[in-house]
This record gives sequence, C-alpha cells and structure tokens, in this order.
Amino acid sequence: DQQVKQNSPSLSVQEGRISILNCDYTNSMFDYFLWYKKYPAEGPTFLISISSIKDKNEDGRFTVFLNKSAKHLSLHIVPSQPGDSAVYFCAASVNGGSQGNLIFGKGTKLSVKP
Amino acid sequence: IAGITQAPTSQILAAGRRMTLRCTQDMRHNAMYWYRQDLGLGLRLIHYSNTAGTTGKGEVPDGYSVSRANTDDFPLTLASAVPSQTSVYFCASSPFGNNSPLHFGNGTRLTVT
Repeated sequence: DQQVKQNSPSLSVQEGRISILNCDYTNSMFDYFLWYKKYPAEGPTFLISISSIKDKNEDGRFTVFLNKSAKHLSLHIVPSQPGDSAVYFCAASVNGGSQGNLIFGKGTKLSVKP
Repeated sequence: IAGITQAPTSQILAAGRRMTLRCTQDMRHNAMYWYRQDLGLGLRLIHYSNTAGTTGKGEVPDGYSVSRANTDDFPLTLASAVPSQTSVYFCASSPFGNNSPLHFGNGTRLTVT
C-alpha cells in the first residue's frame, strides 16, 4: 500500500506560469515532508522541506503547502522556467527521517515549455 | 567538490554473478543509504546505516547486503544477481539527526541479464 502518492505522472506548463505539483499521504504519523528534483542521469537533489508544525514554507520561486487534515501537500513553482523541467519526488518521514525511513512517491515529470 | 561518488556508473551483469556497488562520501555524514529507482515505483530504500558499524534493513532488502566499516564508505553487494535487480541504484547520505535532507550520488545503472 502506497503511503506517499503522486497521482500525476506528468505535468506540462508554459514558461512564466505557475506549476503545481501535488502529493497525498496516508500515514498520519508523518511529520516531515520534502521535495526532491531529479534531472536525467543525475541523483535527486533536495529542493525544499516542511515540518508538520507549519503549513507553508517558501524559498524563492518554490513554496510548499501542507494541509494536514487532508493529508496533502503541494509544491508551487512561480514563475516556472524551462530549467525547472525535471522529475519531482515528494517524500515523507516519521521522526524527521532520522531512522532512514524516508518514503518517496513515484514522481511527477514536469515539462516547462518556452 | 564535496559529495558522494558512486562506482561504476553503469554495469551489465550476468545473472548469478556477484557484484559490489561502491559508494564514498567526503562530507563526514553519519548516515548513509541505498535506494533503487524503478520506473513507476519511485525510490525504494534497500539498506541504511545511521553510523559506522551499524546497518539496518529498508523496504526492499532481500538479495542485498551492506557493510559500514568506516564513515565514508557504504558498499552494496548483490551476492547472486537476478534480472529483477535490474535498476538504477542511488547512494545517499545525511548528517544524523532529525530533519536532515539526503544528499544523493549520481547513481549506478545496473542491468542483470
């Protein structure tokens, strides 16, 4: 049973517009959530995170929103740029991931069109 | 540049053969991890190590073993490879403690024929 779900395998957005990537989770014990970005032939790189005590975290063009009641988080990229084209993985953990229990979603491939 | 080095970059391996994937980090991170990435399945944890001398099983540990003799190295061994182990393998590390993002290597693409 998938604990972290990214239901959209792909997303296409025009340059300059907003990209919204969604992630749902089932385990109410998750208390730390992260987004990773992955380019082909490279390892995933950390993008942004949020603790369950917050509902929003912002870093430049990237904002993550957490809705604990709905067990849903989203990543907003504004404005989207062609260089943002990559696969985005949502991940979640219990106890801040300190026991190697980070659970990843299947990923969403974002394509930003010039 | 500090980071994680994985070797080899890619490998084709006959079924039944033994293979060790190497992973070295120079960030002095306490925790290290091995993930496999398969199409449609995302990243799944194979084994992890919170500190040198200790290891633990992840979500998909069967067919794999690890060792952590020192802080920097975390090799992953396939004792007798099977085709279902065809995957991209990523090594990662993090400072031990809560809320520490993982730093990933660039992966090893393994094909078992």
